[in-house]
Amino acid sequence: DSGVTQTPKHLITATGQRVTLRCSPRSGDLSVYWYQQSLDQGLQFLIQYYNGEERAKGNILERFSAQQFPDLHSELNLSSLELGDSALYFCASSVVGGEINEQFFGPGTRLTVL
Amino acid sequence: ILNVEQSPQSLHVQEGDSTNFTCSFPSSNFYALHWYRWETAKSPEALFVMTLNGDEKKKGRISATLNTKEGYSYLYIKGSQPEDSATYLCASPYKYIFGTGTRLKVLA
Repeated sequence: DSGVTQTPKHLITATGQRVTLRCSPRSGDLSVYWYQQSLDQGLQFLIQYYNGEERAKGNILERFSAQQFPDLHSELNLSSLELGDSALYFCASSVVGGEINEQFFGPGTRLTVL
Repeated sequence: ILNVEQSPQSLHVQEGDSTNFTCSFPSSNFYALHWYRWETAKSPEALFVMTLNGDEKKKGRISATLNTKEGYSYLYIKGSQPEDSATYLCASPYKYIFGTGTRLKVLA
């Protein structure tokens, strides 16, 4: 158990809908990262927050947004969902936002868009 | 474009064999290199963070080396066990690019 929690574990929804994925980092970790793993694809970095501020952005679609709250939990909002958004979404956390800090991954949220 | 490449893509070894695989990365803009172990139906677990050229890190039977000048890192597993079966990922924290992994299967 990495100490990172993600809810829900599974989510099934329809095209055009909007969903929110939630992540609670390990106690004491200030940085949160979101990744997407689609079928037959590797882990794709979406976005990073550090202590409430956006720190780095990857291949995140404009339909997706995220935020980190004062209690350091983070939410990833996915809107106007398409079939291709079906994927496993991981959240990870690290102590600070530096590149030398290992990341601890949550169990993931599996999103299925029908 | 930053590419992190891993080889081989998959590997089957017998229990007790030692094995190694490679992660290649652009040597420019180097900050660090991360290695992760990812078991099926679980989430990636950090193994090593490599930062300095010539670094060698060890955790039990698993070790890793780093060459930042030529842009590669090796992961070694000594005396492979069935529980070592997993996908081993390397990642560049510069833009958080992950390789596609080496899938290791250790046969009992």
